[in-house]
Amino acid sequence: AQKVTQAQTEISVVEKEDVTLDCVYETRDTTYYLFWYKQPPSGELVFLIRRNSFDEQNEISGRYSWNFQKSTSSFNFTITASQVVDSAVYFCALEGGSEKLVFGKGTKLTVNP
Amino acid sequence: DGGITQSPKYLFRKEGQNVTLSCEQNLNHDAMYWYRQDPGQGLRLIYYSQIVNDFQKGDIAEGYSVSREKKESFPLTVTSAQKNPTAFYLCASSIAAGSGKYEQYFGPGTRLTVT
Repeated sequence: AQKVTQAQTEISVVEKEDVTLDCVYETRDTTYYLFWYKQPPSGELVFLIRRNSFDEQNEISGRYSWNFQKSTSSFNFTITASQVVDSAVYFCALEGGSEKLVFGKGTKLTVNP
Repeated sequence: DGGITQSPKYLFRKEGQNVTLSCEQNLNHDAMYWYRQDPGQGLRLIYYSQIVNDFQKGDIAEGYSVSREKKESFPLTVTSAQKNPTAFYLCASSIAAGSGKYEQYFGPGTRLTVT
């Protein structure tokens, strides 16, 4: 069975703070893909990143960075110098041999001015 | 612009009535999906379709039905058999299903309230 755990239900920070959203996954598949999506208040999910299980390189995109560690089954997401526009619910998801995307329950991030 | 449209944004129905949620995409994607989102929960897969005239049940298909007669359309019917239909419904599409090679693109969602 595949499972994604986002232990942080809600996080509140002040603008310009750095924040890390945790994601821990479980799978028996050797080939799998991990995703992060952002859901702003409008409701539509926005794709942020996809990583496959064979690529453990960390990735940086502007203020966003992702740390993938197979040894701890984690795929954490860091926002540097957070902004009010970063306020949203963030979902981590996993797709393995079942060919279905399994989502975590999400972390609601509030960035206060 | 290419994308996924869902209509309406908000839908209200009386208990016992069937209701159909619309999902259209002009991305030329083969695969389409329906998810349900409840407060504080992740997304749960209802149905998905890899190709026209074919679809498979997801994790919570009971009380729902779908059709895929056209590549660009994947309507979801919430039947009276669905015990707790009030939820936020999201439609998605991807170039192809499975393997994780392709991300899913999501529509704006339909919030269904049944009283």
